[in-house]
Amino acid sequence: QSALTQPASVSGSPGQSITISCTGTSSDVGGYHYVSWYQQHPGKAPKLMIYEVNNRPSGVSHRFSGSKSGNTASLTISGLQAEDEADYYCVSYTSSSILVFGGGTMLTVL
Amino acid sequence: EVQLLESGGGLVQPGGSLRLSCAASGFTFTSYAMSWVRQAPGKGLEWVSGISGGGGSTYYAGSVKGRFTISRDNSKNTLYLQMNSLRGEDTAVYFCARVNGGNLNWFDPWGQGTLVTVSS
Repeated sequence: QSALTQPASVSGSPGQSITISCTGTSSDVGGYHYVSWYQQHPGKAPKLMIYEVNNRPSGVSHRFSGSKSGNTASLTISGLQAEDEADYYCVSYTSSSILVFGGGTMLTVL
Repeated sequence: EVQLLESGGGLVQPGGSLRLSCAASGFTFTSYAMSWVRQAPGKGLEWVSGISGGGGSTYYAGSVKGRFTISRDNSKNTLYLQMNSLRGEDTAVYFCARVNGGNLNWFDPWGQGTLVTVSS
């Protein structure tokens, strides 16, 4: 099972919006509503940001949102803040009854 | 407060074995599936294995199938990962995570991780 495809890096200025894509196939992202997103700061454990494509856990800022179209899921962060600078990972359930992560995206706030 | 605490990491020679533990507290352990996720130094996250709340269903990534065994002791609120035939590419921080929304869905929360180094 290949890893999901994410851009290696994205950047934006404070206050701007950015979108991170997560591309898979009809056997994973496109076939199920089970896509989640995680934020990871250096040396820390990952933190859940979005679950089941577009649900935001309590305590996560409303600036974070998720969506999906076909085989590509997306994480959008609006009103970028310095604290958003981190690595972001998507993960999806697959038809092989396993989970697969994306390669990760490094977000830089300029 | 929900807490997960991994232990058991360390230095092991190639071909060797190691057992990781993850002690859970603050929630009804048997009601949740659990997973192990690893992260090699400077690399991304990789899902390793999962187990259902009752322990009757287990799942493995292809890279570890046949070498790693996931298990749980619900009387001790503890998750385990038995790792055999270890290779250099198994060197990573290993996180345990509670799985929500089914056996293979979203992870929340995560433990802080334990480092496994496979080297001679």
